[in-house]
Formats: sequence, C-alpha cells, structure tokens
Amino acid sequence: AQSVTQLDSHVSVSEGTPVLLRCNYSSSYSPSLFWYVQHPNKGLQLLLKYTSAATLVKGINGFEAEFKKSETSFHLTKPSAHMSDAAEYFCVVSDSSYNNNDMRFGAGTRLTVKP
Amino acid sequence: NAGVTQTPKFRVLKTGQSMTLLCAQDMNHEYMYWYRQDPGMGLRLIHYSVGEGTTAKGEVPDGYNVSRLKKQNFLLGLESAAPSQTSVYFCASSRGPIGYTFGSGTRLTVV
Repeated sequence: AQSVTQLDSHVSVSEGTPVLLRCNYSSSYSPSLFWYVQHPNKGLQLLLKYTSAATLVKGINGFEAEFKKSETSFHLTKPSAHMSDAAEYFCVVSDSSYNNNDMRFGAGTRLTVKP
Repeated sequence: NAGVTQTPKFRVLKTGQSMTLLCAQDMNHEYMYWYRQDPGMGLRLIHYSVGEGTTAKGEVPDGYNVSRLKKQNFLLGLESAAPSQTSVYFCASSRGPIGYTFGSGTRLTVV
C-alpha cells in the first residue's frame, strides 16, 4: 500500500526567504502526488498535483514541486515566503489515477512565516 | 458561492449520544467522502460514495455509518459517540476520481 512521510512537522522561515517542505512517498505503482494547504479553521485547498506528466509541477500562489522517482520525493518549494503562506501543508499520494479512495495523506507540516 | 457545506461547525457530545453530520455540495459531483483529521496523523478516510445510493468503507469506518440518499448530500452518523471520536471531520466531493473540493470542517468533541 502507498504511504507518504512528511519529514518536518514544523518549518519556520522569514518573510522573503525560500520555503522547502519535504515529502517522501512509497508506492508500488506510478503514483499521483498532491500538495494541499489548510489555513486555520478552513478546509483543504489543492496547491498542485503530479499525475505522470511533467516532473516539475507549478501550482497556485507561486508554489512548485518536483517529482523525483529515483529519490521517491515530491518536495514543495517557493522562492520567497509571504506572511499569507503560514498554514498547514499536506502531501498526498495515490496509487491510482482513477480512484480518490486510495489517497493517503501525510501527517502535515506547519509553516510559520516570521516578519 | 458554490462549494461544499458542512453542518454543524462545532458540536460537543456526551459519551453514548448519537448525532448526524451533514455534507451538502452544489457542484453536481458524483463522488463524496468523509475524513477525520487528528493531530499528527493527517486525514484518514472514513467512508465514501461514488454516486447516489452507494456507499463504501474507507480506512477507519468503525463506529460510523453513512447515507447518500440524494446526490448532493452525504450524511455521517455516529450511533454511540465515544471519546476516541473526538476529531475534526471533513467532507469532500469530486466530479471524477481525482481532486477534491473540501468543506470547512466540523469540530466534534465527545466528553
């Protein structure tokens, strides 16, 4: 079965500096991978998704992620953090490109942005 | 605005009480899901539905029941609440098999 590990439970950056949120996955097949963001007391919002097309995926709000099969990683990056980026981020893996109920969520990484 | 609406947003139950959480979507989505979110564990799938009148078990179904009598609604029931069911519950829907629209969550405390 597929699984995902988010390597940091909490990341703290200063405004204007780069963001790196790390995610490793385990999958028996060619996975689909997603990053979701959750702002306080809100539902989850899709940032970006990888579904076997280009390995560098661009998402909303300046975020991007690179699928590296050899490293089984799908790290999320942003060149310059903004205060509004402070939130919880979830990496998600799915073995199936046709079935949402196979999705597995990571435990989440809380991003703090300091002024 | 179109989206997924969950009611109630907050609830406190006593052990053994029952309740129903309602999820409504107005996007004509076929797929609907109930997740629970616990600290340090991400989201875990409780039950899901691939269409009106159908339901299926997810990763953590015990203690919950669901019904999808209408395409736009997906109900999650707790027959006899336990403290272990204290959690934040999220409903989601999707048109096809990939990608979700999430509701804003229901925070449930069982004392």
